[in-house]
Amino acid sequence: DTAVSQTPKYLVTQMGNDKSIKCEQNLGHDTMYWYKQDSKKFLKIMFSYNNKELIINETVPNRFSPKSPDKAHLNLHINSLELGDSAVYFCASSPRLAGQETQYFGPGTRLLVL
Amino acid sequence: QQQVKQSPQSLIVQKGGIPIINCAYENTAFDYFPWYQQFPGKGPALLIAIRPDVSEKKEGRFTISFNKSAKQFSLHIMDSQPGDSATYFCAARQSYNTDKLIFGTGTRLQVFP
Repeated sequence: DTAVSQTPKYLVTQMGNDKSIKCEQNLGHDTMYWYKQDSKKFLKIMFSYNNKELIINETVPNRFSPKSPDKAHLNLHINSLELGDSAVYFCASSPRLAGQETQYFGPGTRLLVL
Repeated sequence: QQQVKQSPQSLIVQKGGIPIINCAYENTAFDYFPWYQQFPGKGPALLIAIRPDVSEKKEGRFTISFNKSAKQFSLHIMDSQPGDSATYFCAARQSYNTDKLIFGTGTRLQVFP
């Protein structure tokens, strides 16, 4: 009965590889997000989708491409991985209704690029 | 550019103490101010949130104080417990349309027995 789930939990890969992280939410929310948390714990929004439509696209290298096949799923594909991409990536979802702004975070995917 | 400034970076208190974490912002268009709690190896979880038309909100042992004129808000944890040891993030919503949250830099709280 997990609300927001991510796979994989850990990802160790070599520089230059391409990898994907998957996110699914069973809360019935319309909006999903990707955040990056760096080694200093700083949490920054990367992308947001509302009903499969991209609504936030921060200054993120175009090696990062989100894809939302349906409103319950938001995947993150990363091309040509670099050392600086090592971080924890969190998916989140929200009903995004007045009075219901809570964003529910997944457990995170710990990416280490060697 | 850090739009939400959070302090202190770390905080150590004894059980029963009242840790206070402070945040300041510049953008007067922010309209929603949540606090998130993050345990090691877990995702952040909403703790408590406030809107700028209210000066204080209390939920259990957690209280937000909000000063709109000073553009500051703070989290107080009453009767702190070792189980409260976590990293706390303040945040501010930049736009209702995008629901974009700007997070502070986090405060690592340790509560010793």
